[in-house]
Amino acid sequence: NAGVIQTPRHKVTGKGQEATLWCEPISGHSAVFWYRQTIVQGLEFLTYFRNQAPIDDSGMPKERFSAQMPNQSHSTLKIQSTQPQDSAVYLCASSLCQNTLYFGAGTRLSVL
Amino acid sequence: GDSVTQKQGQVTLSEDDFLFINCTYSTTTYPTLFWYVQYPGQGPQLLLKVTTANNKGISRGFEATYDKGTTSFHLQKASVQESDSAVYFCALHYSGTYQRFGTGTKLQVVP
Repeated sequence: NAGVIQTPRHKVTGKGQEATLWCEPISGHSAVFWYRQTIVQGLEFLTYFRNQAPIDDSGMPKERFSAQMPNQSHSTLKIQSTQPQDSAVYLCASSLCQNTLYFGAGTRLSVL
Repeated sequence: GDSVTQKQGQVTLSEDDFLFINCTYSTTTYPTLFWYVQYPGQGPQLLLKVTTANNKGISRGFEATYDKGTTSFHLQKASVQESDSAVYFCALHYSGTYQRFGTGTKLQVVP
């Protein structure tokens, strides 16, 4: 079991560009979560899916962020028109029955 | 709303010192409580989990007790090692929702 796989590990974008982050959850896990980690805010919840259906996106900035889970083997987080304040580590986690979270190593997004 | 508070941003100890990391929670019911540990370059990973059914979690020498009276879930270890240096997060969870994390406590253990 390779664990949760996130790609890329690092992404650098220019201000105003689009960034797409990928997550492959652990096979068999029914829930996928996205969090954002910064020094100032800590671990912020963004959104989550259960059995591929979006359940709660209350943490997502509405205007430029979107997340999808087109099949059980991957989820994407897309940020349009990236801004410097979007710079953070984006963490994906999967879980069985929404219990213990298994995190990937994260994608470090740097917006210049 | 439901929240978790970790007031200690950083703790520095010497090897074999006793570790105590404070975590308190605010909630109207009884969630499942977690401690996660994060090493550099990695995502958080489960250290231990406690429910209202078992009240205490023990893992790798770490221990935490669910105290409903004081709504606390402090993390303790009798004797820390340099390899315990990491960031520790307290989290709470209700079924059907997402986990809410504390701000984290960075532990540095010096030899």
